Amino acid sequence: DTAVSQTPKYLVTQMGNDKSIKCEQNLGHDTMYWYKQDSKKFLKIMFSYNNKELIINETVPNRFSPKSPDKAHLNLHINSLELGDSAVYFCASRQRIYDSYEQYFGPGTRLTVT
Amino acid sequence: AQSVTQLGSHVSVSEGALVLLRCNYSSSVPPYLFWYVQYPNQGLQLLLKYTSAATLVKGINGFEAEFKKSETSFHLTKPSAHMSDAAEYFCAVSGHTGNQFYFGTGTSLTVIP
Repeated sequence: DTAVSQTPKYLVTQMGNDKSIKCEQNLGHDTMYWYKQDSKKFLKIMFSYNNKELIINETVPNRFSPKSPDKAHLNLHINSLELGDSAVYFCASRQRIYDSYEQYFGPGTRLTVT
Repeated sequence: AQSVTQLGSHVSVSEGALVLLRCNYSSSVPPYLFWYVQYPNQGLQLLLKYTSAATLVKGINGFEAEFKKSETSFHLTKPSAHMSDAAEYFCAVSGHTGNQFYFGTGTSLTVIP
């Protein structure tokens, strides 16, 4: 029944490796997001897709590449991982409710780069 | 441009005491405002939101927030803290397109027994 799910929950890898994080939502929402939360809990938006189209592309290294095969999935691929990429990555989807919007977050993926 | 500022990165209250978490916003258009809660090792969960329908907004778990345009504030309150309220709280703002959400830096709430 999980609304927004992410895999894996934990990811430990070495510098220079390439890894992917997957996100799926079963809420029927059209818009999905990737956020990065650093060690100080600061939450920064990275990307947003609406119906498989990229609508927000914040200033992140081009080693990060989102992929949306369909509107229920938004995956994040990271090339050449660096120590500074260690963080918790959250996927979210957005629903329109009357005249406003709400975001629903996944449980997060804790990435540790060693 | 829109942003939110949360005053106090750490707040401690005694169990049963009033909880007050502060959030001030900056927005060139009437904003939508949100409070989210994050329990340890979990994602963010929506507590409540303001969308101009009513200035006093009630949320889950006994929390409420009041939108004050004159003070550009949207402070979160709860009359009586419970141990289970210990968590990280985030204030957020969005415009009416809803594409972009801007989060504050978070306030960590500790409840002392």
